[in-house]
Amino acid sequence: EAGVTQSPTHLIKTRGQQATLRCSPISGHTSVYWYQQALGLGLQFLLWYDEGEERNRGNFPPRFSGRQFPNYSSELNVNALELEDSALYLCASSLATGALSFGPGTRLTVT
Amino acid sequence: AQSVAQPEDQVNVAEGNPLTVKCTYSVSGNPYLFWYVQYPNRGLQFLLKYITGDNLVKGSYGFEAEFNKSQTSFHLKKPSALVSDSALYFCAVRGAGNTPLVFGKGTRLSVIA
Repeated sequence: EAGVTQSPTHLIKTRGQQATLRCSPISGHTSVYWYQQALGLGLQFLLWYDEGEERNRGNFPPRFSGRQFPNYSSELNVNALELEDSALYLCASSLATGALSFGPGTRLTVT
Repeated sequence: AQSVAQPEDQVNVAEGNPLTVKCTYSVSGNPYLFWYVQYPNRGLQFLLKYITGDNLVKGSYGFEAEFNKSQTSFHLKKPSALVSDSALYFCAVRGAGNTPLVFGKGTRLSVIA
């Protein structure tokens, strides 16, 4: 089966701009998770969507937002980009409470 | 709120020797515990999980982990390390209900030939 896919692979933005990251889950998976992996900070939980609804949100400011579409794909939006938003953004999908399957990530660089 | 601690930023081990990567957790109720591995410029790969049952869990690539409820630990082990095991290892925990999977900061394993 095809794994979790993310686009784009790399994204370079200027401070103050907006970034949109996309994720397609494994077929049949209804839950999508977003994590931020900044250097030295491990994985920080951002958002969890299931069946189109936001189930949980991590400790991030409101300029981090997202949505899940009817086909279960998801979009992460980051507004008013700051330099410290530079990180690898990982998307994962799962069935119910199963193990998460991760995509390769989107490397966001804010200059 | 749940949390995970990986007390070692770096673990070095000689090829052929046993390896242990430590993890302790804090969660309300029964824990769901996971180990993931990340190779350079790659996403995370699932290694193994503990949900319930036998305290010794076997996973991919010869790895295993032991759940210890009294010590709230879930250490990752392998009897004989390979150079190809060198990577970043993450422990993660989730509680019941709509709680997300929370990760530790990761431990970098370096296996030296």
